Amino acid sequence: NAGVTQTPKFQVLKTGQSMTLQCAQDMNHEYMSWYRQDPGMGLRLIHYSVGAGITDQGEVPNGYNVSRSTTEDFPLRLLSAAPSQTSVYFCASRPTGSDTQYFGPGTRLTVL
Amino acid sequence: KQEVTQIPAALSVPEGENLVLNCSFTDSAIYNLQWFRQDPGKGLTSLLLIQSSQREQTSGRLNASLDKSSGRSTLYIAASQPGDSATYLCAVRGNNAGNMLTFGGGTRLMVKP
Repeated sequence: NAGVTQTPKFQVLKTGQSMTLQCAQDMNHEYMSWYRQDPGMGLRLIHYSVGAGITDQGEVPNGYNVSRSTTEDFPLRLLSAAPSQTSVYFCASRPTGSDTQYFGPGTRLTVL
Repeated sequence: KQEVTQIPAALSVPEGENLVLNCSFTDSAIYNLQWFRQDPGKGLTSLLLIQSSQREQTSGRLNASLDKSSGRSTLYIAASQPGDSATYLCAVRGNNAGNMLTFGGGTRLMVKP
């Protein structure tokens, strides 16, 4: 299994641009989440999904959209990038009935 | 709102020392608590998970304890090695938090040879 994969690893955007961060897992996990990590603030939940077709907001959802059309994929869309969205983004998944989360390697995003 | 604090923010110890990392949380109504390890530029790896009904969990040289009533958890690392150098994060899942984990800011550990 490849586990949780994220692309790209690095990205630089200009203010106002849009982009999609990709996340995929091959473990057939129902639960998937997006977190952002900022210095000194730990990780904060952006959006999560409990299964295909079902998504919900986390702690810091503004400026981000998600969709879950398949069990494997959970992309995160930035509609109009802002410098405040400069961060490291992590995708995570966990199987039903387990609390152990599996994290991807992260995407480092810089918005100029 | 749940808040999770980790002290110290950074720690440097010589190889072979036993050490304790601390995690405190403000709302004791938690479902479970996890300790993660994060290496520079990498994702998080789950180390130990303690359910709310448990007092401790052990894995190799790692032991995590949980005291829900006082809102505290500790991660004990025995006989530290340079390979233990990493950032350690604790995260709690509240009873009504669904899929949401609330993370502490982490403790950056350096074990010197």
